Amino acid sequence: GAVVSQHPSRVICKSGTSVKIECRSLDFQATTMFWYRQFPKKSLMLMATSNEGSKATYEQGVEKDKFLINHASLTLSTLTVTSAHPEDSSFYICSAPRDTQYFGPGTRLTVL
Amino acid sequence: GNSVTQMEGPVTLSEEAFLTINCTYTATGYPSLFWYVQYPGEGLQLLLKATKADDKGSNKGFEATYRKETTSFHLEKGSVQVSDSAVYFCALSPLQGAQKLVFGQGTRLTINP
Repeated sequence: GAVVSQHPSRVICKSGTSVKIECRSLDFQATTMFWYRQFPKKSLMLMATSNEGSKATYEQGVEKDKFLINHASLTLSTLTVTSAHPEDSSFYICSAPRDTQYFGPGTRLTVL
Repeated sequence: GNSVTQMEGPVTLSEEAFLTINCTYTATGYPSLFWYVQYPGEGLQLLLKATKADDKGSNKGFEATYRKETTSFHLEKGSVQVSDSAVYFCALSPLQGAQKLVFGQGTRLTINP
């Protein structure tokens, strides 16, 4: 079946640094990918829609300058958390649609 | 707006017990409804879906029926197994064919042998 990978699976960084998370569709092309954030014991919250060849579409309340999204190719989208702070610590999940939504395994970000 | 509410977890059952995880939704229009499952260390996987009222989605012994009159999509399984231990998410897509998903908070299910 379709596979979506994320890298890294977990990352720890210092406050003020930037962190890049990659999302790849391994055996299919995706002109659109989605980035979600999951808080502990809470649901996944859609952050933005990544569009290949154009700007990402951000959900209300999500800072586009803080969460930079680049859809570099038909199989790769990246989420960069800029100037990370402890409140950005979370579990970030991407998905790519084919016949249905396929989700990556997630990236655990911890900002010290 | 669109929202999904699931029963609070965690839920702990014995093997072969009957399972119900409640899910209700609020949406404008005619959403599609989904159940996703997340096994430990893995990404979310689609478990089943229903796209219109009275549709029943089923997979791996799990079932859920799209009830427009009660705005519900409860997940059921007649006899659970230890391997069903996972986190279950109810979700909706506001428009037919749309790809954005609105998730419930997830319900952690543990099945004891």
